[in-house]
Amino acid sequence: AQSVTQLDSQVPVFEEAPVELRCNYSSSVSVYLFWYVQYPNQGLQLLLKYLSGSTLVESINGFEAEFNKSQTSFHLRKPSVHISDTAEYFCAVRTSGGYQKVTFGIGTKLQVIP
Amino acid sequence: ETGVTQSPTHLIKTRGQQVTLRCSSQSGHNTVSWYQQALGQGPQFIFQYYREEENGRGNFPPRFSGLQFPNYSSELNVNALELDDSALYLCASSLGGATETQYFGPGTRLLVL
Repeated sequence: AQSVTQLDSQVPVFEEAPVELRCNYSSSVSVYLFWYVQYPNQGLQLLLKYLSGSTLVESINGFEAEFNKSQTSFHLRKPSVHISDTAEYFCAVRTSGGYQKVTFGIGTKLQVIP
Repeated sequence: ETGVTQSPTHLIKTRGQQVTLRCSSQSGHNTVSWYQQALGQGPQFIFQYYREEENGRGNFPPRFSGLQFPNYSSELNVNALELDDSALYLCASSLGGATETQYFGPGTRLLVL
């Protein structure tokens, strides 16, 4: 079985400041890793994913995450946040075999302060 | 290309009743998964259907059941509703295959009184 730990439930940050949202996972088998974003009263949108290859993955809106196998981490970073980044962010893991069950973390609420 | 849609958007039921939630998959997707997201929590996997067959299930009791139709739309049925069933129910569609991305619908918010 796999699990995901998001270490911060809320992260306040000033606009244009950098941010890091932390995620650690546990699994006995190979995994795929994801970050999803959820805006108020909406469903989940995929932000970025790691399947294989380069351990650094990027999204189209400036977020990036780095897969660190030795530390079992997949932290999400952005060098300069915008008000529109205010949302809840979920880290998720899926095993590389079998069906597509995704295990989510509890979520981190990012609040960008003007 | 239409995205994943869910109906209804909101629903209020009383304890003991039954409810059916619906999901239309993104065009061409043959796999659908259902998740329950309680307030302040991350989504929890309920089950997955691939080509009309359930091929995976999370830790939910049998009163949570589902169907997938030949057009790959899907239903989630919950019998004997309990207060703790109040949550946002999300469906996600994808192509079959371990590396395929799941695309989520906006969800159905269920309140059980």
